[in-house]
Amino acid sequence: TQLLEQSPQFLSIQEGENLTVYCNSSSVFSSLQWYRQEPGEGPVLLVTVVTGGEVKKLKRLTFQFGDARKDSSLHITAAQPGDTGLYLCAGAQSGNTPLVFGKGTRLSVIA
Amino acid sequence: DAGITQSPRHKVTETGTPVTLRCHQTENHRYMYWYRQDPGHGLRLIHYSYGVKDTDKGEVSDGYSVSRSKTEDFLLTLESATSSQTSVYFCAISAGETGANVLTFGAGSRLTVL
Repeated sequence: TQLLEQSPQFLSIQEGENLTVYCNSSSVFSSLQWYRQEPGEGPVLLVTVVTGGEVKKLKRLTFQFGDARKDSSLHITAAQPGDTGLYLCAGAQSGNTPLVFGKGTRLSVIA
Repeated sequence: DAGITQSPRHKVTETGTPVTLRCHQTENHRYMYWYRQDPGHGLRLIHYSYGVKDTDKGEVSDGYSVSRSKTEDFLLTLESATSSQTSVYFCAISAGETGANVLTFGAGSRLTVL
């Protein structure tokens, strides 16, 4: 059973379009993190959200943590080819448990 | 770049042979993790360590063992490699006092078992 479900699994869009990636669970998390991974490299942290309803912005990326702390979304405005990569959400159910990861959303932005 | 290195970066081996992957950090972080990444499965935790000689199992620990005799090194051993262990292995470190803080990942070790 996958604790964190990400959707869509694959996404191919044109440069300039907007997109949203979802990370859903039936479990409550104390925090959720989003990572981005490029081919041949390890994942790199984008953001951590810890409070239900929290919204964080990182340039054209907007992250939201659901009010019930069971889900999160990543919205990218005016996508660019440099946004291409694998986006992973990861959650901690408590402060003492290791992160669990979703399967990821593979984004391709075509110029 | 964060001080975390994995070796070897690439390895091809035969079924039944032992394999050891090494993760070395220069950050003096308490927590170290081994994940494997496979298409369709994402990142799955194999083992992790919360201090020298303190380790615990993750969700896919069967067929793997780990050791941490120094803060800076975390070794992952496949006692007898199988084809199902062909994967990309990532080491990660975390500074926090709890296990769920931000992870910094190594660049990965690609293992092929023939």
